[in-house]
Amino acid sequence: DGGITQSPKYLFRKEGQNVTLSCEQNLNHDAMYWYRQDPGQGLRLIYYSQIVNDFQKGDIAEGYSVSREKKESFPLTVTSAQKNPTAFYLCASSISWGSEQYFGPGTRLTVT
Amino acid sequence: AQSVTQLGSHVSVSEGALVLLRCNYSSSVPPYLFWYVQYPNQGLQLLLKYTTGATLVKGINGFEAEFKKSETSFHLTKPSAHMSDAAEYFCAVRVKRPGTYKYIFGTGTRLKVLA
Repeated sequence: DGGITQSPKYLFRKEGQNVTLSCEQNLNHDAMYWYRQDPGQGLRLIYYSQIVNDFQKGDIAEGYSVSREKKESFPLTVTSAQKNPTAFYLCASSISWGSEQYFGPGTRLTVT
Repeated sequence: AQSVTQLGSHVSVSEGALVLLRCNYSSSVPPYLFWYVQYPNQGLQLLLKYTTGATLVKGINGFEAEFKKSETSFHLTKPSAHMSDAAEYFCAVRVKRPGTYKYIFGTGTRLKVLA
């Protein structure tokens, strides 16, 4: 079954700790994305990668970092520099940059 | 600046009634347009999309949307609401920027279906 997996579903961390969210896809898609979703604000783009070994900042990249060492994987690290990290994080992929995006099930991160 | 506006953050309809969720966009050129549905604590699922060609687009679960260039709208409709349609719906546009594309998502409309 092809799709996008995100793990874990729920994640709890103490303030000041870095945390890495996993995103894996077996769709053979070139492009991958990370979004942050907050109530009433829609989706905001954190980082995107058009192709393996390349990634670009989105609209709200501060306090986040990513890597794209493998085509199927695009992990997101939420660093202690992110002022308000508690949110629902969505990973997406598309067959190529600009084509329609398919989303994973999301990870809800709570930082206290 | 390009934007997407979804009128009504919450919409309630009775089961069996017409569903109409509104989406307007601003763009200097016709964009690609999408509707996604999100069930609680899940990711977004693509309902339908408009790229070029026929302006009435049919999607999954009985939904359809019509691209109206003159009104810069892409409203989502379904003739008869079902309880399982209760979810949050997002309109999105893909706009072309120099050398790249940008996706812009609306803030979402939460649909409630009353028995």
